[in-house]
Amino acid sequence: EAQVTQNPRYLITVTGKKLTVTCSQNMNHEYMSWYRQDPGLGLRQIYYSMNVEVTDKGDVPEGYKVSRKEKRNFPLILESPSPNQTSLYFCASSPFWGNTEAFFGQGTRLTVV
Amino acid sequence: SQQGEEDPQALSIQEGENATMNCSYKTSINNLQWYRQNSGRGLVHLILIRSNEREKHSGRLRVTLDTSKKSSSLLITASRAADTASYFCATDAERGAGGYQKVTFGIGTKLQVIP
Repeated sequence: EAQVTQNPRYLITVTGKKLTVTCSQNMNHEYMSWYRQDPGLGLRQIYYSMNVEVTDKGDVPEGYKVSRKEKRNFPLILESPSPNQTSLYFCASSPFWGNTEAFFGQGTRLTVV
Repeated sequence: SQQGEEDPQALSIQEGENATMNCSYKTSINNLQWYRQNSGRGLVHLILIRSNEREKHSGRLRVTLDTSKKSSSLLITASRAADTASYFCATDAERGAGGYQKVTFGIGTKLQVIP
């Protein structure tokens, strides 16, 4: 089944403790991206990747890192999480870059205390 | 403000009525998409309309695009309670710091269909 898989689905962590949210797609898509969703602000893009080893900042990249060493994986890294990073996070993938149909993961609800 | 702003932000209608949501954007686009999100879940793609298209249909959905006004509308006909969700438009006009084209979502329209 074609899908985008994020893990974990729910995470509660403490300020400053490094964490990684994984994202994997099985559709051989080139384009992958991370979004955070907050009430009243909609979806805001954090980082995106055009292909392996090619990434670019989105609208709200501060406090986040990404890597794209393999085509299928695009992990989101929070080196030192802070409470303002409490949010609902989504990973998405598309066949190629540009505005094409995106497939979204189920979401990761992160709480930083 | 964001590229791709939906209007209204919230809409409540009776089952069977039509629901219309609008999206405005600021600069030229190649494509515009509409997505649906059930509460707290991932977004699901509904329809893509290219800049050289004016109207597109998919089942009970009708999307129009007016590039001269930089706006799009999503019409859901004969709404059902199951259509209750948030609806987002996504545009591709902006580019990231590296010059790559990126997709930008609006804040969304929250639709409630009352049985």
